[in-house]
Amino acid sequence: AQSVSQHNHHVILSEAASLELGCNYSYGGTVNLFWYVQYPGQHLQLLLKYFSGDPLVKGIKGFEAEFIKSKFSFNLRKPSVQWSDTAEYFCAVNGENTGFQKLVFGTGTRLLVSP
Amino acid sequence: GAGVSQSPSNKVTEKGKDVELRCDPISGHTALYWYRQSLGQGLEFLIYFQGNSAPDKSGLPSDRFSAERTGGSVSTLTIQRTQQEDSAVYLCASSLASSGRFTDTQYFGPGTRLTVL
Repeated sequence: AQSVSQHNHHVILSEAASLELGCNYSYGGTVNLFWYVQYPGQHLQLLLKYFSGDPLVKGIKGFEAEFIKSKFSFNLRKPSVQWSDTAEYFCAVNGENTGFQKLVFGTGTRLLVSP
Repeated sequence: GAGVSQSPSNKVTEKGKDVELRCDPISGHTALYWYRQSLGQGLEFLIYFQGNSAPDKSGLPSDRFSAERTGGSVSTLTIQRTQQEDSAVYLCASSLASSGRFTDTQYFGPGTRLTVL
């Protein structure tokens, strides 16, 4: 079965610090990769997604993620975080083994950015 | 337009009771998904509807769980004889279409927090 690992459960950063959140998935076949974010009191929303092509994907609010197939990784980065980035971040994947429909999520990373 | 809506936002029930959770997807979205998020765990897929096709029920944890989608729009997730381990946030998502590899973005609702006493 497909699984997604997010190794950092809680991250605390100061404003302007750089961010990298790890995400590894288990399935070796063709996959689509996603990062979702949930701001306090808000719905889960899509930050960025990778289907094919350039492995460096840019999303909203200055976030980017790099797909490294050989490492089964899709880490999320932002060069300079803001207080408003405080949220919970979820990595998700779907793949050909699940018909590309259902998303498999990681357990999430809570990011706290101190002003 | 309006996003995905879910009702109720919170539900407290006693063990053994049945509950129904409702999802109104974005108008025109043909695909609808149910997930749940238990404390300390990621989102877990439950069931998926696509148009008039038979639903993918592979994520339902037991036969106490069922879901239906009427008229290709509103969906109801029913949990019979609730247990304490059913306590979780139940999230609904919809997408414009879903076929093949390049699936459309799933838009999530605010969720229903279910507490089973």
